[in-house]
Amino acid sequence: GENVEQHPSTLSVQEGDSAVIKCTYSDSASNYFPWYKQELGKGPQLIIDIRSNVGEKKDQRIAVTLNKTAKHFSLHITETQPEDSAVYFCAYDSNYQLIWGAGTKLIIKP
Amino acid sequence: DSGVTQTPKHLITATGQRVTLRCSPRSGDLSVYWYQQSLDQGLQFLIQYYNGEERAKGNILERFSAQQFPDLHSELNLSSLELGDSALYFCASSLGPTGTGELFFGEGSRLTVL
Repeated sequence: GENVEQHPSTLSVQEGDSAVIKCTYSDSASNYFPWYKQELGKGPQLIIDIRSNVGEKKDQRIAVTLNKTAKHFSLHITETQPEDSAVYFCAYDSNYQLIWGAGTKLIIKP
Repeated sequence: DSGVTQTPKHLITATGQRVTLRCSPRSGDLSVYWYQQSLDQGLQFLIQYYNGEERAKGNILERFSAQQFPDLHSELNLSSLELGDSALYFCASSLGPTGTGELFFGEGSRLTVL
């Protein structure tokens, strides 16, 4: 079946540095690629998404890039802050349903 | 606050028992999704309903069943519970029938099976 590989599973960065999480997917027909953030004790929340007609999208300190040829997309967080500590999930649509990555635990070191 | 309400927040029960988890979607949303998240695991999609009808099915066990009622709230029924069913169960809602729009998640129901 369809799947998505998400790396790394854990990422520890110094506060103020950048963090990058990468996902590789298998369905070449996919057109929608969201990223969700799950804080401790809460449900996941959409933080940014991108559709296949663009290669990059930014929202303040967060950006997502998409390479449809290579079938991978990445989440970039710049100037990381303590509140960025969370688990991040990538996903993509396959037959109008979301396929989820396994998650990346982002740790921000003070 | 996502607008999605899940009850109960915590539930402790014994093996072999049956429980029902309830979800009220965000006002106006017609789709309800159920996910299972075991400790330090990812999100496992169980099932989706759209406007009262089953829309998609994921890795849902035969011991589990769900339904969406005319008022659009949904219930997930878990029966013959096993220790491995202990997990966080999330409900999410969205406006449309497909997964290509924002999903709004509740805060989850934590099930502990002893």
